[in-house]
Amino acid sequence: EIVLTQSPGILSFSPGERVTLSCRASQNIKRNYLTWYQQKPGQAPRPLIYGASNRVTGIPDRFTGSGSGTDFTLTISRLEPEDFAVYYCQHYAASVFTFGGGTKVEIK
Amino acid sequence: QVELVQSGAEVKKPGSSVKVSCKASGGTLNNYAFIWIRQAPGQGLEWIGMIIPMFDTSYYGEALRARVTIFADESTGAVYMELNNLKSEDTAVYYCAGQEARLLGLQLDYWGQGTPVTVSS
Repeated sequence: EIVLTQSPGILSFSPGERVTLSCRASQNIKRNYLTWYQQKPGQAPRPLIYGASNRVTGIPDRFTGSGSGTDFTLTISRLEPEDFAVYYCQHYAASVFTFGGGTKVEIK
Repeated sequence: QVELVQSGAEVKKPGSSVKVSCKASGGTLNNYAFIWIRQAPGQGLEWIGMIIPMFDTSYYGEALRARVTIFADESTGAVYMELNNLKSEDTAVYYCAGQEARLLGLQLDYWGQGTPVTVSS
């Protein structure tokens, strides 16, 4: 069973800052099936990045995904007010979906 | 492009069952995989299971495998998630998400609005 660990659980930033979020897998995973989501209060999650580094259509280019093996990163180059939210990584393999615990990006 | 509309909020007693529906409009069920996910209050996302109607096959996460059934009904154009023997810890918002079957494993593009389920005596 693959476990995805996102730490820390909460990060505080000011608008305009650069943010790097971590997602660590308990074993090597295929980057093709690593997805990042953004969730705001009261809303369903929205996909941002698929295949570890591909932006979903319509997602601003300030969002960048990278990584391979067990370590993956979501970077927001310059935080906009609408980016304060919770971010989840998710993996798929062998008909099983796994979510990380999420990282909340809050306003400092 | 498919739109997913879920059934309304539910309040249930411990030990009872709940069935949540997810109606897909604008697409054929057989073209998609449907994934059920839940989120307890203030908590993260938990995968419940998945159905691929084209293959009439369902898969379940370990945590709820013994109590959950996911099925599709072509006649209603909906998929359903039924959870039995409800416990207070099943209180959560239940989401249905959809993905083109040929793209299974990539991002979950389509989401229902979520169905709050409250389990309380």
